[in-house]
Amino acid sequence: ETGVTQSPTHLIKTRGQQVTLRCSSQSGHNTVSWYQQALGQGPQFIFQYYREEENGRGNFPPRFSGLQFPNYSSELNVNALELDDSALYLCASSSVTANTEAFFGQGTRLTVV
Amino acid sequence: DAKTTQPPSMDCAEGRAANLPCNHSTISGNEYVYWYRQIHSQGPQYIIHGLKNNETNEMASLIITEDRKSSTLILPHATLRDTAVYYCIVRGSNDYKLSFGAGTTVTVRA
Repeated sequence: ETGVTQSPTHLIKTRGQQVTLRCSSQSGHNTVSWYQQALGQGPQFIFQYYREEENGRGNFPPRFSGLQFPNYSSELNVNALELDDSALYLCASSSVTANTEAFFGQGTRLTVV
Repeated sequence: DAKTTQPPSMDCAEGRAANLPCNHSTISGNEYVYWYRQIHSQGPQYIIHGLKNNETNEMASLIITEDRKSSTLILPHATLRDTAVYYCIVRGSNDYKLSFGAGTTVTVRA
């Protein structure tokens, strides 16, 4: 186990709704990244948070947003859900030094119907 | 925008060494080679990373060629629990993200 926990583990939402996913970082880590993994594909980087600010973003629209809290936990919010948002959402925590490993949580499986 | 090329799949016999190749011909001097694996329906698991020297830990060994254009991940004694998708990732020292490709699906057979 990595010490990175995500909740909930599974979620079903209706198209057009909003969703919030949560991540608790591994102790000692101050950076959180979020990834989206569609079925049969590798994870795709959404964004990263450091010191409660977004400091890097992948090719995702603004309806994907996030927060990082003083205790380094994080939330991923997705507004106006679309069917293509159905995926495994992964949270990874690391230290600010980029050449260290990132530890992933088990993910949240989101299904949009 | 993955910078690596891996075979889509490979089989390995239980108890034998599994050698997973990765090509990264455009790697630059400050970029590291990382390996992660993902067992079905779980989050990716860090295995090992290196810059230019060979590396070994309790899970695997990483062999990087002298020109750094390719590398091999070695699982010394594969078990059924090593069945997973293995991702080879090139990451710069200032990169904040991991760029995953399609990876290699490794199936360990009894």
